[in-house]
Amino acid sequence: QKEVEQNSGPLSVPEGAIASLNCTYSDRGSQSFFWYRQYSGKSPELIMFIYSNGDKEDGRFIAQLNKASQYVSLLIRDSQPSDSATYLCAVIGLTGGGNKLTFGTGTQLKVEL
Amino acid sequence: DTAVSQTPKYLVTQMGNDKSIKCEQNLGHDTMYWYKQDSKKFLKIMFSYNNKELIINETVPNRFSPKSPDKAHLNLHINSLELGDSAVYFCASYGLTGTANYGYTFGSGTRLTVV
Repeated sequence: QKEVEQNSGPLSVPEGAIASLNCTYSDRGSQSFFWYRQYSGKSPELIMFIYSNGDKEDGRFIAQLNKASQYVSLLIRDSQPSDSATYLCAVIGLTGGGNKLTFGTGTQLKVEL
Repeated sequence: DTAVSQTPKYLVTQMGNDKSIKCEQNLGHDTMYWYKQDSKKFLKIMFSYNNKELIINETVPNRFSPKSPDKAHLNLHINSLELGDSAVYFCASYGLTGTANYGYTFGSGTRLTVV
């Protein structure tokens, strides 16, 4: 079982719709959860982090965490073509130390006009 | 003012050569990392240093040797380069990234091509 799993996509949504990106993780003791966006040929950039169960909102982005189900998601409201990118879920677990960030393989999002 | 800067951005070299990649961060973070992103875009941690001390050393060939002269710098030296070393290498640091976010800040990456 992979430590962090994401559907590779591509996930296609029309402009203005809500994009829903999902991620599961295997380390039940994981503490912090991150969503990164990576455009082709660029470096990952941090969108949000969440560490408490529930929802966390920042502009058009909503992160949701359910530790009991070991599930974290990212909703993007009013999706724009500029949101087209690969979205990486990442987790800091209990093992390894040093705030080791373990990434999923990413979900490619395409927002269509 | 770049927060995490890597040089060079592109590196093309022949098999068997030795090369280095440099990384510097001006964020005041204590912890720095090297990640490798393969052709399938999977990011995998290689090394981590905290204030010049090696704290994470994943299963990486010993041809790869990190060096941290101070907490703002983390360099990566690769000996006897192989075709399979071709990838994008990202440097990152961990700490406060803005007004409310903790996380990694990545450098722009070094695309290494071994021919």
